[in-house]
Formats: sequence, C-alpha cells, structure tokens
Amino acid sequence: LAKTTQPISMDSYEGQEVNITCSHNNIATNDYITWYQQFPSQGPRFIIQGYKTKVTNEVASLFIPADRKSSTLSLPRVSLSDTAVYYCLVGPFRGNNRLAFGKGNQVVVIP
Amino acid sequence: GAVVSQHPSRVICKSGTSVKIECRSLDFQATTMFWYRQFPKQSLMLMATSNEGSKATYEQGVEKDKFLINHASLTLSTLTVTSAHPEDSSFYICSGGKRQQGSYEQYFGPGTRLTVT
Repeated sequence: LAKTTQPISMDSYEGQEVNITCSHNNIATNDYITWYQQFPSQGPRFIIQGYKTKVTNEVASLFIPADRKSSTLSLPRVSLSDTAVYYCLVGPFRGNNRLAFGKGNQVVVIP
Repeated sequence: GAVVSQHPSRVICKSGTSVKIECRSLDFQATTMFWYRQFPKQSLMLMATSNEGSKATYEQGVEKDKFLINHASLTLSTLTVTSAHPEDSSFYICSGGKRQQGSYEQYFGPGTRLTVT
C-alpha cells in the first residue's frame, strides 16, 4: 500500500476555499486516490475519489497532477461544520481494498 | 451512498470478559468488510479483513485468537474481543466495500466505543 504524507493541521476562516495537499510518491499504476472526512467519535465519511486530472462532486474537487505523486482536495467556502480530520488514501480500487490510513490533516475552520 | 451500522455504539465491560460488536451493511451487500481500531488522537489502524464465508485475514501484530471475526452473511460481520483488558479500550470501526459506478467505495460504520474497566 502506498504511503501518504499530509500536513498535520491547518486553520481556515469560514467562507474561504480550503486546499488540502497529500503526497504519495510511491503510488502504483492501479492505485486510486481517495479522501475521507472524520469527525470526533464517528466513522470516516467518503468525500471523493479520483485517478488522474480533476474530479468534482457536490462537496469537493480533487486535483491530481500528471505524475500522480500528489493530490489536492479542495473544499469550497468552508463552514464551521467542516472542522474535521481529512485523510488521503491510496490503493487499488479493485480487490479487497485494504486501506492504510495515515495521520490525516486536522482542519479547523475559524469563525 | 450506503449505510453501515454498528451495535452497540458504546460498551463498558469488566476485565476478563468478552464483548461482541456487530457490523451491518443496511442497504447493500458487502462481500468484504474491514475492522479498524482507533486510539485517541490517532489514525485508524486496520485490524483485519473479513470475507463472507471464509476466515478473516489479520494484519501483522493483531492476535486472531483475541479478536475473533465472523462474517456469516453478506450484510453482517461480528468482532468479538475475548478476555478484554484495559489496553483493549478503543474505538472500533467497521467498513464495507461497495462497487458503484465504476469505483469501489468503502463505507464506514459509526464506530463502537469500548471501555474495559
């Protein structure tokens, strides 16, 4: 399983766009990049998944450069309720999908 | 999306007793379920992969005789912590995999807080 590296924490003001980066230098050809959000004492919640270029859904966008060694999760106009830990995971999307969670990025949204 | 439930949400037990935690996929069939453990202020650690109708695959360092996993149906997996000790106190989270629109998403349960006294 490819290892991921994220900043430990970051603060952002309410209403701003937040960009969370993740490094995955050893990503394999068949690996996808998946982002999860976790609130305290809750299970992680799926945010978005992508393989290359850009993916967008109703809550976030995921930007993946051509070499796929990093990715950026973009949250538009964050609110206080977006305060959470965000995990970036890399792994094959087929098979048994064992996921290895890194330390994650604690995002704190400030009023 | 898809919903995974866990029962109980919280449990307190005495040292030396066993505790069973249930994980259910409510609106989809999960041929594979996963069990994680999370200590305070730490990340999730994968404990084992549970496959319906077969033995679970445990991660290195996880005692299979202590953490018994059963996946009897496509919607239910159970984790039994046997002879629990205070160091087993943790947040246990399960997940189920679902293929959807070309991607394979893993949906997590709400977690079970285990406290061993």
